[in-house]
Amino acid sequence: DGGITQSPKYLFRKEGQNVTLSCEQNLNHDAMYWYRQDPGQGLRLIYYSQIVNDFQKGDIAEGYSVSREKKESFPLTVTSAQKNPTAFYLCASISLGAGVQPQHFGDGTRLSIL
Amino acid sequence: ILNVEQSPQSLHVQEGDSTNFTCSFPSSNFYALHWYRWETAKSPEALFVMTLNGDEKKKGRISATLNTKEGYSYLYIKGSQPEDSATYLCALTDSWGKLQFGAGTQVVVTP
Repeated sequence: DGGITQSPKYLFRKEGQNVTLSCEQNLNHDAMYWYRQDPGQGLRLIYYSQIVNDFQKGDIAEGYSVSREKKESFPLTVTSAQKNPTAFYLCASISLGAGVQPQHFGDGTRLSIL
Repeated sequence: ILNVEQSPQSLHVQEGDSTNFTCSFPSSNFYALHWYRWETAKSPEALFVMTLNGDEKKKGRISATLNTKEGYSYLYIKGSQPEDSATYLCALTDSWGKLQFGAGTQVVVTP
């Protein structure tokens, strides 16, 4: 079945450590997105990419980095510069150029600080 | 950043009752609005994508309306069932596919 796979499901970060969250899709979607959810808040956009080797900052990009070397993959690195990384992270994808389409989401990664 | 507001934040419904809740947004420069259902331990599931003023969409017992001139959308659940328990997310989108989410309405249906 086609879909979006996020791994790991749970991740723990030590102080000063960078961690990378994986997002892989086999839907042949053009664009991919990373969102963060904090309690009582809506999903907020961190980074997005509409084409391989190109990406743009979202509303809360500070302390995060991404890469898009392959169409299927859009890993998110939470760097030590992100002072409050504890949150739930969702990856999504969409096919562009086919009218307005809903985004497809992965199951998410919950990141906590040790 | 577009301001998307959802109300109420949460609601409890008796099984069999109908309910509705609201998504409000700036009416200028509207492109499209999405509704998602997000059940615990699952990924958000798309319910509706709405683009035209006056749009009404239906999926089973769930329906939605859109008023782009006044900046709101309603989601209705008819005859609520326990499996309707979820957080319902509303999001505005632009032509690049970026979504701006509201905080969601958490619905709990009790037998």
